[in-house]
Amino acid sequence: NAGVMQNPRHLVRRRGQEARLRCSPMKGHSHVYWYRQLPEEGLKFMVYLQKENIIDESGMPKERFSAEFPKEGPSILRIQQVVRGDSAAYFCASSNSAGGYEQFFGPGTRLTVL
Amino acid sequence: DAKTTQPPSMDCAEGRAANLPCNHSTISGNEYVYWYRQIHSQGPQYIIHGLKNNETNEMASLIITEDRKSSTLILPHATLRDTAVYYCIVRVGANTGNQFYFGTGTSLTVIP
Repeated sequence: NAGVMQNPRHLVRRRGQEARLRCSPMKGHSHVYWYRQLPEEGLKFMVYLQKENIIDESGMPKERFSAEFPKEGPSILRIQQVVRGDSAAYFCASSNSAGGYEQFFGPGTRLTVL
Repeated sequence: DAKTTQPPSMDCAEGRAANLPCNHSTISGNEYVYWYRQIHSQGPQYIIHGLKNNETNEMASLIITEDRKSSTLILPHATLRDTAVYYCIVRVGANTGNQFYFGTGTSLTVIP
């Protein structure tokens, strides 16, 4: 049973470009969470989605960031017009019920903005 | 914001028990205590969780004080592969959509 998959594992973008990060949850999981980890810091919650719905986006920056989890396919975290401060590790987690007692994390995507 | 306080770092000799403390003095009655760890910038890994009773699984034991204001994660026989950052987190309920608030955790180094 494959775990949470994220791709790409490493992404390099120049300032002003767009970054698209993909997350495939574990089989049977319909709840997805995105977290961001800046260097030397803990993970910060960004957004919680269920299929086709954003449930909680209280941790998302108001501009340039968006997330979706379509009926078919992976969840996408999209960052438009990236800036150097967006450089971080972005982790996706999934669970099989509303929150559930355990969230399973993917390996993360390391975004570097030049 | 994280509602827990942990020491920033600890050392433990290989083969000995590692006891990682966590203070959560403002915990509410419906909040659970969770422990995750992150090995070398990998994705966090679930360890254990509890509400008020002590819990044990194949990885660790969780001891929660009677007033629930603090807890201790115990790794009974630490190995080098247990070197990681350990996060103590409180979260409402076990079946809610609430996110985990990760603090800065405790960096545990297991020494040969």
